[in-house]
Amino acid sequence: SQQGEEDPQALSIQEGENATMNCSYKTSINNLQWYRQNSGRGLVHLILIRSNEREKHSGRLRVTLDTSKKSSSLLITASRAADTASYFCATDGGTGGFKTIFGAGTRLFVKA
Amino acid sequence: DTAVSQTPKYLVTQMGNDKSIKCEQNLGHDTMYWYKQDSKKFLKIMFSYNNKELIINETVPNRFSPKSPDKAHLNLHINSLELGDSAVYFCASSQRAGLSYNEQFFGPGTRLTVL
Repeated sequence: SQQGEEDPQALSIQEGENATMNCSYKTSINNLQWYRQNSGRGLVHLILIRSNEREKHSGRLRVTLDTSKKSSSLLITASRAADTASYFCATDGGTGGFKTIFGAGTRLFVKA
Repeated sequence: DTAVSQTPKYLVTQMGNDKSIKCEQNLGHDTMYWYKQDSKKFLKIMFSYNNKELIINETVPNRFSPKSPDKAHLNLHINSLELGDSAVYFCASSQRAGLSYNEQFFGPGTRLTVL
């Protein structure tokens, strides 16, 4: 079965608002990654958080990881229309980087 | 410079035909992947090669055969195409499978439509 499950499936917000997406997974992991996919394009890596980390920042992105709840969240602050995309979490399923298992994604729409 | 490239970008074909998709990466990575993304955007790994050797084969039908002539190329050949094969196929590469930081770089995708 699928490792990562994102929620919500879709999110629509106004420019300037914050967007929060959540991801849950089922098995132990060594790391968790977030990727972005613009329409008609390949995925682009955003950020990786290791299993022994609880929070990580990169620009307007903030990722948290709670291994006890097997969940992660991605926060995009001060969203822009250009942030409109699908966002996927991905884990290694405890394989130590040999495999990357993607969730179904959250579709974010930022209205200008 | 394109890091991971795929050809063709679009492929429309009849059921029963055989087709190939090519992938090349110029990042010097050891590991390459093929993913299938269905109409609901669910991305599923199909194959992974590390230095030309198959390391992941995710119960994909035998009609799908990957070939890696060298570590910069991973091609996907599909025999006897079926309607259910319609999807977007993504090639990706990473520095080396098994690294704790295994960021993947994706190609632009090949949209396959089987009629």
